[in-house]
Amino acid sequence: ETGVTQTPRHLVMGMTNKKSLKCEQHLGHNAMYWYKQSAKKPLELMFVYSLEERVENNSVPSRFSPECPNSSHLFLHLHTLQPEDSALYLCASSQDLRSHEQYFGPGTRLTVT
Amino acid sequence: GENVEQHPSTLSVQEGDSAVIKCTYSDSASNYFPWYKQELGKRPQLIIDIRSNVGEKKDQRIAVTLNKTAKHFSLHITETQPEDSAVYFCAARDGTSYGKLTFGQGTILTVHP
Repeated sequence: ETGVTQTPRHLVMGMTNKKSLKCEQHLGHNAMYWYKQSAKKPLELMFVYSLEERVENNSVPSRFSPECPNSSHLFLHLHTLQPEDSALYLCASSQDLRSHEQYFGPGTRLTVT
Repeated sequence: GENVEQHPSTLSVQEGDSAVIKCTYSDSASNYFPWYKQELGKRPQLIIDIRSNVGEKKDQRIAVTLNKTAKHFSLHITETQPEDSAVYFCAARDGTSYGKLTFGQGTILTVHP
């Protein structure tokens, strides 16, 4: 598959579980992003990585822990989440931080029970 | 930080009519304004964008206008078709080193055949 892929596409987890979301981009980009999309709210930027270095943590609770092992892969590790964390989590990439267009993945629909 | 307001939240038109979605932004240093279309269950996709040194840009049936003085920009869709039905998001890119995108709340556009 080309572009930006995310796995899993759907995830249901309990508040005490630990899970990880995975994003992979096949575009040769150097910047990657995590966004949260909740119902009736704007897309919220969570984290920004450039060349595997985190350049922004947008006041995200520590129960969300990102990891970027290389410029093609981005993870979001989840632990002790709350029901209000249920949302669509979107990954995006761009050529670099200066590039304008961001390409989005299909998202992971997360439900916290 | 940047604040982007988008109106209306829902818009219903008849096929063939025009649709206009408006956004305002707060940070005068913002320099790039993309519009994304998100069909139900799919990823957001860039449909058109405009930079701060341009007042208007057109691509077939869609156009975007920017008024830097008033800090607002608009999406215009002419000759709407049922396949234009989707959620449309505006965004503004600020002047930070990593160019953070702040999104509007989204507009649900429904085009009735």
